Amino acid sequence: AQSVAQPEDQVNVAEGNPLTVKCTYSVSGNPYLFWYVQYPNRGLQFLLKYITGDNLVKGSYGFEAEFNKSQTSFHLKKPSALVSDSALYFCAVRPNTGTASKLTFGTGTRLQVTL
Amino acid sequence: EAGVAQSPRYKIIEKRQSVAFWCNPISGHATLYWYQQILGQGPKLLIQFQNNGVVDDSQLPKDRFSAERLKGVDSTLKIQPAKLEDSAVYLCASRTGQGILLPEAFFGQGTRLTVV
Repeated sequence: AQSVAQPEDQVNVAEGNPLTVKCTYSVSGNPYLFWYVQYPNRGLQFLLKYITGDNLVKGSYGFEAEFNKSQTSFHLKKPSALVSDSALYFCAVRPNTGTASKLTFGTGTRLQVTL
Repeated sequence: EAGVAQSPRYKIIEKRQSVAFWCNPISGHATLYWYQQILGQGPKLLIQFQNNGVVDDSQLPKDRFSAERLKGVDSTLKIQPAKLEDSAVYLCASRTGQGILLPEAFFGQGTRLTVV
């Protein structure tokens, strides 16, 4: 069975500092990997994806993520955090085995950026 | 491009009552998901449709939950009868289902259900 682990319930960082939100996954075969962000009382908003190829993928709002196959990780990063980045972040995985494959989410990490 | 539409945004019902949620996916999207997100947890897949067929409903509590996507477009999720533990946000998402370069799903704003 596929799964996603986000080991940190909350990450605290000062504005202007780099941030990392961790994600590891387990899936049969090759994965599609995603990061989503959720603001209060809103649905999930797509940030970025890994399909294949370059291990560093760039997404919306200056976020990027690094895929590491040997460590089965897909950590979310941003060089300089903003207070407006404070939100709940979810990592998700889906096997790239066809259109019917299941999309599984982690439990989420709350990012708190302070002045 | 219009996003995924869900209604209602909020619903409060008493336990043992029934409730229905509606979702209209992005036009042309073949795959539709319903997720349940309990406060403080990640989204849990309830059911996945490919066009009007069910692909995965292994985590759907079938004694009380049902879902349909009759014409392969919009979808309805029903709970009958509701229990207190059904209080959650119900999220609908869709994706094209075609093309390896477009694997991401897009979510609606969700329906927040409170069972009292």
